[in-house]
Amino acid sequence: EDKVVQSPLSLVVHEGDTVTLNCSYEVTNFRSLLWYKQEKKAPTFLFMLTSSGIEKKSGRLSSILDKKELFSILNITATQTGDSAIYLCAVHRGAGSYQLTFGKGTKLSVIP
Amino acid sequence: EAGVTQFPSHSVIEKGQTVTLRCDPISGHDNLYWYRRVMGKEIKFLLHFVKESKQDESGMPNNRFLAERTGGTYSTLKVQPAELEDSGVYFCASSLWRGGKYEQYFGPGTRLTVT
Repeated sequence: EDKVVQSPLSLVVHEGDTVTLNCSYEVTNFRSLLWYKQEKKAPTFLFMLTSSGIEKKSGRLSSILDKKELFSILNITATQTGDSAIYLCAVHRGAGSYQLTFGKGTKLSVIP
Repeated sequence: EAGVTQFPSHSVIEKGQTVTLRCDPISGHDNLYWYRRVMGKEIKFLLHFVKESKQDESGMPNNRFLAERTGGTYSTLKVQPAELEDSGVYFCASSLWRGGKYEQYFGPGTRLTVT
């Protein structure tokens, strides 16, 4: 059975800190790994990673995938209170299956 | 561009009653997915439509759940009769599947409470 494990489950930091969120996975026929940010309602798409070692960046957020060690990290630099959210990692299996398998999420709280 | 919308945002029903959830995907997205998160657990896949056809129903918990997508546009998920363990947040997502763009975009969810 596919498995996604995120760590830590929760994290409290001060504004301006840098954080690293972890996601490890075991999945048959891996296709891609996705990161989402969930504030109040809808998980919002952040990144999709398919290749090892290629960093994806969007502003203060960046993410990278290691397909050999089966993990990904999401970095947030110079955190702001608006970064407070649950960050979800999900993996997408290939071979005709379109479903995402999610981790439990990391709850990030950024305090002023 | 409008995102994925879901209705209602919250539904409270009694055990044994019927509830129908609705999802409107992003315009032009042929792929539509239903997911569910029960309290304390991770989001779990329920099923996947390509246009009006069910592509994968492997996550549907039992035959009390019926999903439809007539005409390949919006979708409904009916729970009949509802049980206490059906409580949770039901998410809908949609995606393209061409040009390498297959990331799924999620709606805000419907919180279902069965009492």
